Amino acid sequence: NAGVTQTPKFRVLKTGQSMTLLCAQDMNHEYMYWYRQDPGMGLRLIHYSVGEGTTAKGEVPDGYNVSRLKKQNFLLGLESAAPSQTSVYFCATLSWGRGTGELFFGEGSRLTVL
Amino acid sequence: DAKTTQPPSMDCAEGRAANLPCNHSTISGNEYVYWYRQIHSQGPQYIIHGLKNNETNEMASLIITEDRKSSTLILPHATLRDTAVYYCIVRPPRGSNYKLTFGKGTLLTVNP
Repeated sequence: NAGVTQTPKFRVLKTGQSMTLLCAQDMNHEYMYWYRQDPGMGLRLIHYSVGEGTTAKGEVPDGYNVSRLKKQNFLLGLESAAPSQTSVYFCATLSWGRGTGELFFGEGSRLTVL
Repeated sequence: DAKTTQPPSMDCAEGRAANLPCNHSTISGNEYVYWYRQIHSQGPQYIIHGLKNNETNEMASLIITEDRKSSTLILPHATLRDTAVYYCIVRPPRGSNYKLTFGKGTLLTVNP
């Protein structure tokens, strides 16, 4: 099993370009999360999803859109990238009622906006 | 949402116990305390969690105060590979708030 896979792992964008980050999981987890991490800022929640077809805003949702059309995939979109969105993005999944109930994280996607 | 407060950094000598504190004074009675660590820029990894009782696993021990307002993660014999950022978060039970937020964590540096 791959667990949580993020693509792409690295990307450089110019200001104003758009892109989509894909998070794919093979653990059949209901809940999925997108976080961003900037130096010295810890992890900040962007958006999350409690199931297929549902999404909700986190702490820092502005400038991002998300979709969860399939249970195993959670997409994070940047419609018009800005330098302030340069960050490392982490996807995480959770099965609330199974096992130890912890978050499983992907390896991260490094995005640079010039 | 119950928030957590952690010291920004701590040092520990290799082979000694590392005790990392976390304050969660607004925690509710049915919310869990979870600890994660992040080595370099990798994705955070689960360490341990607890509700009321102290917990121990192969990685660490978790001590939760009786009033549940704070907890301590203990790495009994710290090694250089334990140098990482450690996060404690509060996780509500199923059926309530699904937002899971992190603070800035504690950077633990294990020195030789």
